[in-house]
Amino acid sequence: AQRVTQPEKLLSVFKGAPVELKCNYSYSGSPELFWYVQYSRQRLQLLLRHISRESIKGFTADLNKGETSFHLKKPFAQEEDSAMYYCALSGRGSQGNLIFGKGTKLSVKP
Amino acid sequence: GAGVSQSPRYKVAKRGQDVALRCDPISGHVSLFWYQQALGQGPEFLTYFQNEAQLDKSGLPSDRFFAERPEGSVSTLKIQRTQQEDSAVYLCASSRSGQGAFGYTFGSGTRLTVV
Repeated sequence: AQRVTQPEKLLSVFKGAPVELKCNYSYSGSPELFWYVQYSRQRLQLLLRHISRESIKGFTADLNKGETSFHLKKPFAQEEDSAMYYCALSGRGSQGNLIFGKGTKLSVKP
Repeated sequence: GAGVSQSPRYKVAKRGQDVALRCDPISGHVSLFWYQQALGQGPEFLTYFQNEAQLDKSGLPSDRFFAERPEGSVSTLKIQRTQQEDSAVYLCASSRSGQGAFGYTFGSGTRLTVV
């Protein structure tokens, strides 16, 4: 079955602390992995994708095919990082529909 | 337009009523997707259009759900005889041809509440 699992519904950290939002996936082919973010009262937007191997707003994510994971990390959390984060996958070469996890709400306290 | 526009922003429907949700994608975007996001869940795929052709409707939960995109731009998602379990946020996304899951732009969504 094709599935994305985000085990934490809520993650609460203090400003300046490291953050790791977990994502595991199950997919039979070659997946493309993404992290989407939704800030309060804003639309869902792409944060980063594994194929680009980029760092956006200090966040990075590495695809670990052995562990089928794509965890999102940031060494020093900021209050403005508070948002809902969704991990998603798409089949490589597919039409592009995404399979989303249930999301993790990140709360960064001052 | 500057972004993907969805209307109405909020819709309250009585059970059994028909509703129509509109999505106006970014000009020139060939691909259009509809998703349903229930409370506390991630978005779930409903259907996909390439221009005016509906190439995948495997995610539509029942035959009460119908989507169209007759001229390859604006799309309408119609739900007939709404039921309480249809309450959700309906998201539309568009992208340029060939980008697949890259280059997605989401709309703000329509929050449907069935009472």
